[in-house]
Amino acid sequence: DIQMTQSPSSLSASVGDRVTITCRASQSISNYLNWYQQKPGKAPNLLIYAASSLQSGVPSRFSGSGFGTDFTLTISSLQPEDFATYYCQQSHTTPNTFGQGTKLEIK
Amino acid sequence: EVQLVESGGGLVQPGGSLRLSCAASGFTFSSYWMSWVRQAPGKGLEWVANIKQDGSEKNYVGSVKGRFTISRDNAKSSLYLQMNSLRVEDTAVYYCARDRGGSPGGEGFWGQGTLVTVSS
Repeated sequence: DIQMTQSPSSLSASVGDRVTITCRASQSISNYLNWYQQKPGKAPNLLIYAASSLQSGVPSRFSGSGFGTDFTLTISSLQPEDFATYYCQQSHTTPNTFGQGTKLEIK
Repeated sequence: EVQLVESGGGLVQPGGSLRLSCAASGFTFSSYWMSWVRQAPGKGLEWVANIKQDGSEKNYVGSVKGRFTISRDNAKSSLYLQMNSLRVEDTAVYYCARDRGGSPGGEGFWGQGTLVTVSS
């Protein structure tokens, strides 16, 4: 199975900050990388697919980049509603594994 | 509006069985890959299984192979997960998810989840 490793596991930041979360795959996954946001008690929400494509309805402050094994999710200016847990997922090879998550907290 | 509504969760003893259902509406169900994803209490997301549009291809995570079976009924716009030989570590909220459509994919729509508790 392809292992997905996110860093950091948790992150404290302030409203207005620029934040970057990284995700590394144990082998090349081309651009088959998705990012999700999950708030407590809610289902995940797809933010980014194909490494850098913004899902419809997602604010433009979210962006993704990367190819092969190394990927990043960037939030350009944190808003109060962005404090949540973020997961990367590879959809290159089943099982479509997730990273362990990054919890973004208010500083 | 796309809607996915899971049902069938509950409390079951280790070794028991449970069948989850997911009723889909608001889109042409037969046109999309569908998946089950689970989340143990306080833990991260774990992809469980997916199934092709016509049911001809099914994939599973290793920990459920031989115990869980994913299926679909396109006439009823419904997705199922038959879970046998349940273990304590299968305790989780189980989400039904629809592929975004297109490739590369991603789970574009999710249900609200149904809780499965495996305990004696």
